[in-house]
Amino acid sequence: DAKTTQPPSMDCAEGRAANLPCNHSTISGNEYVYWYRQIHSQGPQYIIHGLKNNETNEMASLIITEDRKSSTLILPHATLRDTAVYYCIATPINTGGFKTIFGAGTRLFVKA
Amino acid sequence: SQTIHQWPATLVQPVGSPLSLECTVEGTSNPNLYWYRQAAGRGLQLLFYSVGIGQISSEVPQNLSASRPQDRQFILSSKKLLLSDSGFYLCAWSVQAEETQYFGPGTRLLVL
Repeated sequence: DAKTTQPPSMDCAEGRAANLPCNHSTISGNEYVYWYRQIHSQGPQYIIHGLKNNETNEMASLIITEDRKSSTLILPHATLRDTAVYYCIATPINTGGFKTIFGAGTRLFVKA
Repeated sequence: SQTIHQWPATLVQPVGSPLSLECTVEGTSNPNLYWYRQAAGRGLQLLFYSVGIGQISSEVPQNLSASRPQDRQFILSSKKLLLSDSGFYLCAWSVQAEETQYFGPGTRLLVL
């Protein structure tokens, strides 16, 4: 299973876009890129996932490089409530969630 | 829509006492179910997962056990708690053979 690498922390100004990078240089063709976030003292929340194509939903956009070795999660207009730990995970397809490995993530601080 | 419940929200227990944490899911059938533990300031560790009633897989050896007496009920137990069992316990569910996990609010356990 591919390992992911994320910066330990980032700052973002409220109202600006937050761009969270993730490196997954050993990802295989049958692994999704998943993003979750965990607000303090809450359970993790699913944000978005993708395989090859860029994805967008009501929460965020996911940009995956053509070689799939890295990705960026974009929160287009960060708010104070987006302060959380963001986890980038490479997880195998069609195996259920038990191969999902949560690392340390990136702690995003959104500042007023 | 689907919802996941965990209780209690917080628990303080003496060393050597038993433990029972409960998780229930509504609005779906035959989900995969998961128990995670998160030590203070750390990432999530998968403890158990279940693909059906009575089917439990353990990821790490410990003094905890899990049971799934009903399709949408998952229980985490211990006969004798250790200090090292303190942490934030999270239950999650996913659709069978899919990877996206949806987490409950968690139970914060303090063993004294």
